[in-house]
Amino acid sequence: DAKTTQPNSMESNEEEPVHLPCNHSTISGTDYIHWYRQLPSQGPEYVIHGLTSNVNNRMASLAIAEDRKSSTLILHRATLRDAAVYYCILKKNYGGSQGNLIFGKGTKLSVKP
Amino acid sequence: DVKVTQSSRYLVKRTGEKVFLECVQDMDHENMFWYRQDPGLGLRLIYFSYDVKMKEKGDIPEGYSVSREKKERFSLILESASTNQTSMYLCASSPGTGGKQYFGPGTRLTVT
Repeated sequence: DAKTTQPNSMESNEEEPVHLPCNHSTISGTDYIHWYRQLPSQGPEYVIHGLTSNVNNRMASLAIAEDRKSSTLILHRATLRDAAVYYCILKKNYGGSQGNLIFGKGTKLSVKP
Repeated sequence: DVKVTQSSRYLVKRTGEKVFLECVQDMDHENMFWYRQDPGLGLRLIYFSYDVKMKEKGDIPEGYSVSREKKERFSLILESASTNQTSMYLCASSPGTGGKQYFGPGTRLTVT
């Protein structure tokens, strides 16, 4: 299984942008890059995903390197509510076991007021 | 909004008891999953199912079984609870094409 590498923790100030990096040098052509986050005492929630092109949604933006060996999740203006563990996951877009998520340790984001 | 609900947020059971954790989703999803989450170990997949009455072992199935008699419901069973099964248990569902997973709030199980 292709693996991802993320920093254990990051800090940000409220209302500033946050760039969360993820390295995935062994990514294959069929791997999508997914991001989930887990707020304290809650189950994980989907944030965004992409294949090759940069993606934007109401929660965040995903910037994918041209060689796809790394990506960055961008929170444009961090709020206190964004304090969570962020997981970068490679996932195949299949049904069945090949499409399962494999969670790593993630990055714990702290947001200071 | 997709809703995945779990029967209890907190549960305390004694060693040797049979424990049932229930999960229900309301989006007609084919796939359902059970994970456990422990400090330092992250989320690990116990079992999953991609159809009614179908089940497959995940990474750590030992000591657990599952049941999926109806599409919307996926149960995790601890036949004889042990203290090393004290953990946070998370249920998730996703559509059959392998799209994003929706998680429930979790059940924190303590086995004494």
